[in-house]
Amino acid sequence: GAGVSQTPSNKVTEKGKYVELRCDPISGHTALYWYRQSLGQGPEFLIYFQGTGAADDSGLPNDRFFAVRPEGSVSTLKIQRTERGDSAVYLCASSLGPRGRVSYNEQFFGPGTRLTVL
Amino acid sequence: KQEVTQIPAALSVPEGENLVLNCSFTDSAIYNLQWFRQDPGKGLTSLLLIQSSQREQTSGRLNASLDKSSGRSTLYIAASQPGDSATYLCASGGSSNTGKLIFGQGTTLQVKP
Repeated sequence: GAGVSQTPSNKVTEKGKYVELRCDPISGHTALYWYRQSLGQGPEFLIYFQGTGAADDSGLPNDRFFAVRPEGSVSTLKIQRTERGDSAVYLCASSLGPRGRVSYNEQFFGPGTRLTVL
Repeated sequence: KQEVTQIPAALSVPEGENLVLNCSFTDSAIYNLQWFRQDPGKGLTSLLLIQSSQREQTSGRLNASLDKSSGRSTLYIAASQPGDSATYLCASGGSSNTGKLIFGQGTTLQVKP
């Protein structure tokens, strides 16, 4: 079946502009995560959705970053007034989601969106 | 705060060698630990997921172990091949109730023919 997809694959923008990054998770996966990966580093958590709601947004660096998942499937990460320091690969992952006290399920990642802010 | 460390940062081995990649974490109250592979310019491919109640998982030439009490996990690769060349990332899941992963910085493996 189809995996996690992300669009666009590459985005080049100018400092101060607004960008939207899209994630389409695996069908049936209720949990969706956004991560950010800088060059030579491991991914860093940004935000977690369970269904339509943001259950944990503790990783968002500041209020320029916002994400939505209005119908519990596709998610959009929105960045306002972009800065050069926002340049990174933005990764989306999905999983089946929690099952009571059972450990969380395996996360499957998309190919990422490479954002470059000039 | 959970911290995940991977040593070494880079490793080069001749083809056919067995090797071990190391991952350590500071908070033993994890739900699971996941190993990933990342090829240059690509996303992450899940290799193995070990639940907190498990000691190890195997898939083909890969074997991952988990020792929560010592805060360690290892990824064993048997009979390495040039196609195994990639960056390997470990990530701890949990210690909160969101399932978010905390990643190490990765070990970049080169297998020489």
